[in-house]
Amino acid sequence: QLLESGGGLARPGGSLRLSCEAYGFTFSATAMSWVRQAPGKGLEWVAVISGGGQDRYYAESVRGRFTISRDNSKDTLSLQMNHLRPGDTAKYYCAKGRALTELGEDAFDVWGQGALVTVSS
Amino acid sequence: SYELTQPPSVSVSPGQTATITCSGDRLGDRYVYWYQQKAGQSPVLVIYEDSRWPSGIAARFSGSNSGNTATLTISGTQAMDEADYYCQAWDSSSAFVFGTGTKVTVL
Repeated sequence: QLLESGGGLARPGGSLRLSCEAYGFTFSATAMSWVRQAPGKGLEWVAVISGGGQDRYYAESVRGRFTISRDNSKDTLSLQMNHLRPGDTAKYYCAKGRALTELGEDAFDVWGQGALVTVSS
Repeated sequence: SYELTQPPSVSVSPGQTATITCSGDRLGDRYVYWYQQKAGQSPVLVIYEDSRWPSGIAARFSGSNSGNTATLTISGTQAMDEADYYCQAWDSSSAFVFGTGTKVTVL
C-alpha cells in the first residue's frame, strides 16, 4: 500500500513537498516513481529513484525544479516541488516499480490514491 | 522524445471484444505495459511484459506486441470494464512513457 500526503494550493513560483508512506513490501528493494495526471488529462511520469536512492531521473518538464528522494529507514518517498507553475496542477501518484531495484524497463504495480496539487494565484 | 499513440475512444457492446492499440516507433523491440483507470480511481496494472497477467487480473484481458503496434484485447467485455486504458513503455532517453489513453465505453 502507498499513502500520499502533502498536496494543496501553491502560488506560481512557490513550493510544496509531497510524501508517500509505503506498507506491506520491502521498500528498499524497489525503484519508486511519481506520476501525475492533470485534470481531465492522461498520465505523465514525473520522476524515478532507485531502491538505494543513488540514481534519479526526471521528466524534462520538471527537471531542475523537482527533487525526488527517499528514506528507506522510514519507508517513505518524497517529492520536493519548487518554482511551481500552473501547468504543474495535477493529482500526483506515488507508484511502486514491479520488479526492478535499479532504473530500467519496468511497470508500476502498486499506486497510491493520489495527492492533489493546485498551482494558482 | 519517444511517443506512444492510442485511439481516443473505443466503443463495445457487452460480451463483445474490445481492441485497443498503442503505436510507437519499433515498439515491438521493447516491453509494453497496460493500465486500467476507472473514473475517480488510481490506475491498475492489467498486463505487463506485453502479455503477462498480474495476480488477480481477469483472463479476458490479453496483450500482444509486434512491429510498431501493441494491442490490448478485452474478450467478453463487461460493464465493469468501462474505463480509461493507458499503454506504457520504457525508453532509454525518456524513461517511462505513457500512451495518450483510450476511453472504453461499454454500450
